[in-house]
Parts: sequence; structure tokens; C-alpha cells
Amino acid sequence: DTAVSQTPKYLVTQMGNDKSIKCEQNLGHDTMYWYKQDSKKFLKIMFSYNNKELIINETVPNRFSPKSPDKAHLNLHINSLELGDSAVYFCASSPGKRGTVAQYFGPGTRLLVL
Amino acid sequence: QKEVEQNSGPLSVPEGAIASLNCTYSDRGSQSFFWYRQYSGKSPELIMFIYSNGDKEDGRFTAQLNKASQYVSLLIRDSQPSDSATYLCAVKPPGGGNKLTFGTGTQLKVEL
Repeated sequence: DTAVSQTPKYLVTQMGNDKSIKCEQNLGHDTMYWYKQDSKKFLKIMFSYNNKELIINETVPNRFSPKSPDKAHLNLHINSLELGDSAVYFCASSPGKRGTVAQYFGPGTRLLVL
Repeated sequence: QKEVEQNSGPLSVPEGAIASLNCTYSDRGSQSFFWYRQYSGKSPELIMFIYSNGDKEDGRFTAQLNKASQYVSLLIRDSQPSDSATYLCAVKPPGGGNKLTFGTGTQLKVEL
């Protein structure tokens, strides 16, 4: 199936731990994104990479570090997890960084920090 | 003022009626506008996008854009219970990259 996939789907962890979320797309897109959706369902962009280059870096704590080993993969590593990091994290991809292109979302990773 | 504003709802419509969802945006230079549907516990799913003033139709969905008034709307004709979801409006502001700014969504309930 052509899609944006994420692992894990659910992540429950203790405060202070470090965790990673992985994203892969087989749509042949050049640009990938990380979004955070909080408990009020507000969806906010965190990062974007175009062909392994960071192009969007919103005001996010530096405990969050994205990494793109190639244009089909975008990972998110979170250090020293805090309670407020609990949210759903969505990966998305789009065909290119310019022009009016739509973004396609993965299934989400539901992170719960205890 | 929020960058993208939507009424949170819930908006309740009877089955078969037209549902009208509205969105306003603050940046007059915004270029592209998207509607996503999100079922509870699922990811946002792209329904439509619109770039030019006027109407754009796709099946039961019509997107309407008025850049002078800075609003974009989504009409759903012949609403079905399966249309019950949260509808997110997203706007691409001017500038580089492909950043989308999302509204907080409108919850739609289609009742039998």
C-alpha cells in the first residue's frame, strides 16, 4: 500500500525518558513534516524536511530533534520527556516544498507521558 | 486574532441536508486553502483544496473561496451520517516552505 506510515502507534513512557518515533512514506514525495495535535485537537507544525534538508523549524523545545536519513524517512527523537509532551504526533508528506501542494498524513503516534 | 478561525461546533444537520462549514484567515497574502476531515482517533484526511476565488466542486463537496473577505467555506450536499467528523481548515501563508496553519476544526454531526 502507498502511504505514510508511523511507528509505534502507541507509546506510553515515564517522565524523563528518551523516545523516538519513526515515519516512512512510499509516495515518492520530497517533503516530510512532523505535527503535534494536543488534547484540544489543535494541529501545529513542528518541523519540515525537504529531501533531507530542514526547511521549517518552529518554536519547539530543543529536546525535540528531527532527523531525516533520506527523503523517504523522517524520525523524531524526544529527550527528557515531560508530561506536556503527551499528544498525538502526526507525520505528513507532500510532493514538494514549493507551490500549492497538499499534505498527506500518517496514522499518528499517541504518546502518553506518565 | 487567531491565524485561522473556525467555529468549534458541534454543527448538527439532518441527514440529506446541506452542511456549511466556514473558516476565516488573518493573513491576506495566503495562497492556498485546504479542507481536511478527521474522524475521532484517526488522522486528518484531505478532502479538497482551492487556490482561486470562486467555487470548486468535487462530488458532494464544494469549496468556496473569497480572498477579499478572507474566508473559505466547505459545503457538503446530501449529508450522510458517515460525514460526521471534525473538519479542519488549513491555510498556506505567504512565504517559502510549505507550512500549513490549521484551524481548530468544526465538529459536524449528521443526524438520522
